[in-house]
Amino acid sequence: ELKVEQNPLFLSMQEGKNYTIYCNYSTTSDRLYWYRQDPGKSLESLFVLLSNGAVKQEGRLMASLDTKARLSTLHITAAVHDLSATYFCAVDRYSGGGADGLTFGKGTHLIIQP
Amino acid sequence: DTAVSQTPKYLVTQMGNDKSIKCEQNLGHDTMYWYKQDSKKFLKIMFSYNNKELIINETVPNRFSPKSPDKAHLNLHINSLELGDSAVYFCASSPDRNTYEQYFGPGTRLTVT
Repeated sequence: ELKVEQNPLFLSMQEGKNYTIYCNYSTTSDRLYWYRQDPGKSLESLFVLLSNGAVKQEGRLMASLDTKARLSTLHITAAVHDLSATYFCAVDRYSGGGADGLTFGKGTHLIIQP
Repeated sequence: DTAVSQTPKYLVTQMGNDKSIKCEQNLGHDTMYWYKQDSKKFLKIMFSYNNKELIINETVPNRFSPKSPDKAHLNLHINSLELGDSAVYFCASSPDRNTYEQYFGPGTRLTVT
């Protein structure tokens, strides 16, 4: 069974600090996704990582993928309060005909305090 | 225009009732999905449809019956609702089974009392 593990599951940090969220997965997948969810809202796609060594950056967030280690990281630089949210990583589920939906990690609930 | 829409946004009902949630996408996508997010925010796929054909039924009780009348719609009917069905249900779509981009609907918060 495909497993996706995130850590930490809960993170409280101060503005201006740096931190990294880790995502490990159990399948041989070349693709990994990061989503953001605000309370009561839907999922917003942040990054799509499509190959080993992929690195993407958007503002204070940077995501990377190491398919050999089956590990992705989401790094937060100089955190600001607006980044407070729950962050999910996800990988494709594969069956005979193709990718059929996503398996998500349990999410990292991030609180950034002034 | 909303890409993936769901109705209703909120649904409060009593145990034992039957209810439906509707999903529509106007993106011309072939593949649609239902996900369940429980009270701990765990997200799990329930169903996957491709061109109106069921691809995945992920160990969901048979009280849940998806129906896809056409490629743009994937509805979820739930019979004999139970307390444990309380959750947020998200519909999503993607261009096809091999395209990575998934677009999520706004979610339907189902509360069973």
